[in-house]
Amino acid sequence: EAGVTQFPSHSVIEKGQTVTLRCDPISGHDNLYWYRRVMGKEIKFLLHFVKESKQDESGMPNNRFLAERTGGTYSTLKVQPAELEDSGVYFCASSPLTSGLGYEQFFGPGTRLTVL
Amino acid sequence: GNSVTQMEGPVTLSEEAFLTINCTYTATGYPSLFWYVQYPGEGLQLLLKATKADDKGSNKGFEATYRKETTSFHLEKGSVQVSDSAVYFCALSASNYQLIWGAGTKLIIKP
Repeated sequence: EAGVTQFPSHSVIEKGQTVTLRCDPISGHDNLYWYRRVMGKEIKFLLHFVKESKQDESGMPNNRFLAERTGGTYSTLKVQPAELEDSGVYFCASSPLTSGLGYEQFFGPGTRLTVL
Repeated sequence: GNSVTQMEGPVTLSEEAFLTINCTYTATGYPSLFWYVQYPGEGLQLLLKATKADDKGSNKGFEATYRKETTSFHLEKGSVQVSDSAVYFCALSASNYQLIWGAGTKLIIKP
């Protein structure tokens, strides 16, 4: 069974440009999460999808970030325009719909975003 | 609010040494507690978890016990190997599904 995949693995862009990150969850996982780790700091929650609906987007830092999950399968996270402080590693995770609070979230390898 | 505090690294040990990485938490209600590990060049993967007080999670020789009285979930291993070199993250899940993370502890094991 394929794990969570993310694309690209690494992106380097100029300040002010737009970047779109993609996450493909494990097949059949209706819960999808985005997290990010800014250099040297703890991993922070960004948002949680259940199927195509945003269940919790309390961690989204500002309106330059837009997440979508059309059709309830893969998800994209767009940053527009990118700022220097957006640099970090963006992780995606998924879990089955029936999972409770103690259930494992399965993580992708992350996308390292560098904004110059 | 909910938070996780774990010891800062890097932690450098010799092979076969005893390992403890401290983790304490603040949470309302009864959170589930996790240790995730990130090996070099790889993604995060669950190492072990505990969902209620006094539960002990274990995997690959690592153990951690959910201590509600001390709000702790310290990670231990009796004899570390070079292959255990990685970054270890303590995390909790409380009333919603988001994971709250510690800052991560880099572990370096020297042969």
